[in-house]
Amino acid sequence: DGGITQSPKYLFRKEGQNVTLSCEQNLNHDAMYWYRQDPGQGLRLIYYSQIVNDFQKGDIAEGYSVSREKKESFPLTVTSAQKNPTAFYLCASSEQAYGYTFGSGTRLTVV
Amino acid sequence: QQQVKQSPQSLIVQKGGISIINCAYENTAFDYFPWYQQFPGKGPALLIAIRPDVSEKKEGRFTISFNKSAKQFSLHIMDSQPGDSATYFCAARAGSNYKLTFGKGTLLTVNP
Repeated sequence: DGGITQSPKYLFRKEGQNVTLSCEQNLNHDAMYWYRQDPGQGLRLIYYSQIVNDFQKGDIAEGYSVSREKKESFPLTVTSAQKNPTAFYLCASSEQAYGYTFGSGTRLTVV
Repeated sequence: QQQVKQSPQSLIVQKGGISIINCAYENTAFDYFPWYQQFPGKGPALLIAIRPDVSEKKEGRFTISFNKSAKQFSLHIMDSQPGDSATYFCAARAGSNYKLTFGKGTLLTVNP
């Protein structure tokens, strides 16, 4: 079945540590996105990419980094510069004419 | 600047009732309007979508009503069920732009 796979489902980060969240899609979609969701909050865009080797900052990019070396993969690194990283992270992909397909999310907790 | 305004923030409906969630937009270039349903701990899933050349689209108990002149669109859930309890997001996209603009979401609770 085609879809988006996010891993891990749960992730724990120590203070000052960088962590990387994985997002893989087999839908052959050109565009991929990372969103952050806090309790009771909407979806806030972190980064997005419309083609391989190119990506743009979203509304809350500070403290995060991404890469897009392959069409299928769009990993997100939460760096130590992100002071409040505890949140639910969602990856999505899309074709131009249609809506997004979301992954099942990664819940990141700082310990 | 919030380009898609969604209301209400939360909604409580009795089983069998009608749930109505409204969204308003300002960008007249928007030409694709999807709704997403999200259950706790899960990613949002596309529920139903509409383009501005039609005023209404129905899929089962879910209906989108679209008013182009008022720049508003709404989701109606008929015969609401406890299993419909979730967060609903409206969204909009303009032309060749891949990126969706989301509303802030509505938490729907359907009481049995």
